[in-house]
Amino acid sequence: EVQLLESGGGLVQPGGSLRLSCAVSGFTFSSYAMSWVRQAPGKGLEWVSAISGSGSTFYADSVKGRFTISRDNSKNTLYVQINSLRAEDTGVYYCAKTLWSSDAYFDYWGQGALVTVSS
Amino acid sequence: EIVLTQSPATLSLSPGERATLSCRASQSVSSSYLAWYQHKPGQAPRLLIYGASSRATGIPDRFSGSGSGTDFTLTISRLEPEDFAVYYCQQYGNSPRIFTFGPGTKVDIK
Repeated sequence: EVQLLESGGGLVQPGGSLRLSCAVSGFTFSSYAMSWVRQAPGKGLEWVSAISGSGSTFYADSVKGRFTISRDNSKNTLYVQINSLRAEDTGVYYCAKTLWSSDAYFDYWGQGALVTVSS
Repeated sequence: EIVLTQSPATLSLSPGERATLSCRASQSVSSSYLAWYQHKPGQAPRLLIYGASSRATGIPDRFSGSGSGTDFTLTISRLEPEDFAVYYCQQYGNSPRIFTFGPGTKVDIK
C-alpha cells in the first residue's frame, strides 16, 4: 500500500523558516519524481515544486529562490525547505508521488501538513 | 505559461443527475498531460483521470474524461452522494516545465 506522511508544519513568524518532510512507503521511492502542492485557505490547489528521481528540481515562480526541494532516497523521504516565509505561504502542503514521463500527473497524495505564517 | 479555466465555478445538482465539468486551456495542451482530481475538505486530493481520458486505479466507471487541444471535459454520469466535492483539472507544460491547476469546480447538492 502506498503511503505518504507529511510532517513539520506549524506556526511560524513572517520571515522565518521551516522544513517539511514527507516519509513514503509502498513503492520504490528513488524511481519516481515527487512534488509539493499547496492549498491556501479557501483557495485552490497550487503546484509548488517537483524533483525528479535523479534530483533535478523545478519550482513555481511564486516560490523560486525561497523554497528548496530535496530528497533522501536512503530514507525514502522528501523535503522542502521554506525560507523568508510570508503570510501568503499559509496553507496545507501536500506531497505527491509524481508520474512524469509520457504522462504527467500526481497519483498518490499525503494528507497534508498545515503551515501558518503569522506574528 | 498555460492558464486553465474551469466552468462552472459551482454546479448544483441532485444525486442521480449527470455532471459535466469543463476545463479550458489558454493554449493547446497535450492530452497526455491533462489530469483531473477530486478533493474533499480535510482529505488528500484523489486522482480520477490522467491522459485526458484514462481512469485511475479504482475509479468507478461513472467518471469519464474527454477532450483535446484546449477543451477538456470531466463527466460524472450519475452522481452518488460521495461525489459532491471540488474537482480540479491539471496540466503539465514542457516550456516552462511546470504543473498548473485550474481554479476548480465545486459540485454541491441541490
